[in-house]
Amino acid sequence: SAVISQKPSRDICQRGTSLTIQCQVDSQVTMMFWYRQQPGQSLTLIATANQGSEATYESGFVIDKFPISRPNLTFSTLTVSNMSPEDSSIYLCSVDRGMKNEQYFGPGTRLTVT
Amino acid sequence: AQSVSQHNHHVILSEAASLELGCNYSYGGTVNLFWYVQYPGQHLQLLLKYFSGDPLVKGIKGFEAEFIKSKFSFNLRKPSVQWSDTAEYFCAVNAPGRDDKIIFGKGTRLHILP
Repeated sequence: SAVISQKPSRDICQRGTSLTIQCQVDSQVTMMFWYRQQPGQSLTLIATANQGSEATYESGFVIDKFPISRPNLTFSTLTVSNMSPEDSSIYLCSVDRGMKNEQYFGPGTRLTVT
Repeated sequence: AQSVSQHNHHVILSEAASLELGCNYSYGGTVNLFWYVQYPGQHLQLLLKYFSGDPLVKGIKGFEAEFIKSKFSFNLRKPSVQWSDTAEYFCAVNAPGRDDKIIFGKGTRLHILP
């Protein structure tokens, strides 16, 4: 398994501001994923981040709104830009450690936008 | 596109009752199937997984799931639940060789009465 930490664990932000969420893994991984879990909803994949290449975004998510960095094999950041109350959610980082697409999840960042 | 349906959004059972949570997926090719669990205040964690072989998969804490290909189903079962099984359960599917994304169902919130 992988040990994954996220910072911050929670935050309350004003509309129009941006927040950068950090994800740190205890070992090198090729693929990192960012998910959103809105209240009462399932996990929705935002983007896949591979080290050394641009992140791949899912339908409905764009780089201008959710820029992602992946500077090395153990770290990634997700920025939620120009926030609105609709961005209030839990944001989760996950990694794929195994050969069989088995993902391990971080504790999540609970974001509230007022 | 792949999708996952979980039929029960909220299930309430008494201790020692038997549990079955339904999960159906839509994808015609080879799939990897997962059940994840999120205990209150904890990380999302893998409960069990199916990649190939025996369609009856055993996971942690006495849980098992059966892959029925003809029904596109992967139902989760436990013969006798405990209060500590109170959690949210997510079914997920991945299409290996097609992409590395895992698609999640909306989750089932299980509440066990002591």
